[in-house]
Amino acid sequence: EAGVTQFPSHSVIEKGQTVTLRCDPISGHDNLYWYRRVMGKEIKFLLHFVKESKQDESGMPNNRFLAERTGGTYSTLKVQPAELEDSGVYFCASSQRTGTGNEKLFFGSGTQLSVL
Amino acid sequence: QKEVEQDPGPLSVPEGAIVSLNCTYSNSAFQYFMWYRQYSRKGPELLMYTYSSGNKEDGRFTAQVDKSSKYISLFIRDSQPSDSATYLCAMSGTGGTSYGKLTFGQGTILTVHP
Repeated sequence: EAGVTQFPSHSVIEKGQTVTLRCDPISGHDNLYWYRRVMGKEIKFLLHFVKESKQDESGMPNNRFLAERTGGTYSTLKVQPAELEDSGVYFCASSQRTGTGNEKLFFGSGTQLSVL
Repeated sequence: QKEVEQDPGPLSVPEGAIVSLNCTYSNSAFQYFMWYRQYSRKGPELLMYTYSSGNKEDGRFTAQVDKSSKYISLFIRDSQPSDSATYLCAMSGTGGTSYGKLTFGQGTILTVHP
């Protein structure tokens, strides 16, 4: 079974440019999460999709970040325009809907974003 | 103050040692407690999962949760060089769609040397 796949693995862009990160969850997983780890900090929640619907986007830093999950399959996270403080590792995770707390998240390997 | 505090280490132990990793937290709403292991250039991988207070054992790994003290631990017995990784504690609340909204500690870097 394929795991959670993220593209690209690394991205280096200049301040002010646009970057789009992609996440392919495990097939059949309705839940999809985005997390981010900036240098020296803990991994932090960004947002949560259930199928194509945003359930919780309370962790999105500002309106330069836009996440989509058209059709409830893969998801994209766009940063426009990118700022220096957006540098970090962006993780995607997916899980099956269980309706209970016994929800196991499977993480991708992350996208290392460097904004210069 | 962070919701979850975890000593980032680094922690270096000889092979065969017992390793103790800990986190404290401040949010009493947390009900689900997890330990993740993360190898270099990989994503976090779930190791242990515990609901509310108590102990859970899986092979060489034991997770403990003390909600009265807001303190969780992970013990690794007979540590192996392959256990060298970053260990992250994570927690979540209850209800609806919040189970996967995890609050992480900063992670402890563990090295087990032969």
